[in-house]
Amino acid sequence: AQTVTQSQPEMSVQEAETVTLSCTYDTSESDYYLFWYKQPPSRQMILVIRQEAYKQQNATENRFSVNFQKAAKSFSLKISDSQLGDAAMYFCAYRSAYTGNQFYFGTGTSLTVIP
Amino acid sequence: GAVVSQHPSRVICKSGTSVKIECRSLDFQATTMFWYRQFPKQSLMLMATSNEGSKATYEQGVEKDKFLINHASLTLSTLTVTSAHPEDSSFYICSALRVATEAFFGQGTRLTVV
Repeated sequence: AQTVTQSQPEMSVQEAETVTLSCTYDTSESDYYLFWYKQPPSRQMILVIRQEAYKQQNATENRFSVNFQKAAKSFSLKISDSQLGDAAMYFCAYRSAYTGNQFYFGTGTSLTVIP
Repeated sequence: GAVVSQHPSRVICKSGTSVKIECRSLDFQATTMFWYRQFPKQSLMLMATSNEGSKATYEQGVEKDKFLINHASLTLSTLTVTSAHPEDSSFYICSALRVATEAFFGQGTRLTVV
């Protein structure tokens, strides 16, 4: 099974500042998908951003962008101009393009935004 | 955006009874749905993969007879916790796969067994 590692259990950022959440993964596959999901206190999982491994260009979605380093198997999330509503648990996830349908989730990073 | 509705959001049941949780994809057909269990401040633990028209695939360590999954149609999967016990109390989340890169999550169900 693939493993997804988030080495930062907790992070904090000042409002309007930038924060980067780390994620590494282990796979022998060449084609796959990577995701960042946000889980606010309501516990509803919300897709923040996704990246196809075959794409070299880093994905961006408004204030959210990723730094995808395929060789290093690294997939970090950058949140710019942090807002209070960004406070949540963030999960990195991997899904194979070949085998099965399941998502492998990291252990999560709890982000606190300081006003 | 696509919506997945999970019902109920909260349920309290007595030990020994069964509880059914529904997961519906409201505006798309989902041949595959997933059921997760999440303990406080932890990640999502995949319990089983539910495929429409076939038997669910359970992860190692998940009791098939305790957690019954039925995927009766392309928009509905159900998880039944049979003979529930306090240790089954948890947060259960479903997700539905629309295409390879899109999985949408239900709101989750907080189950408390007393």
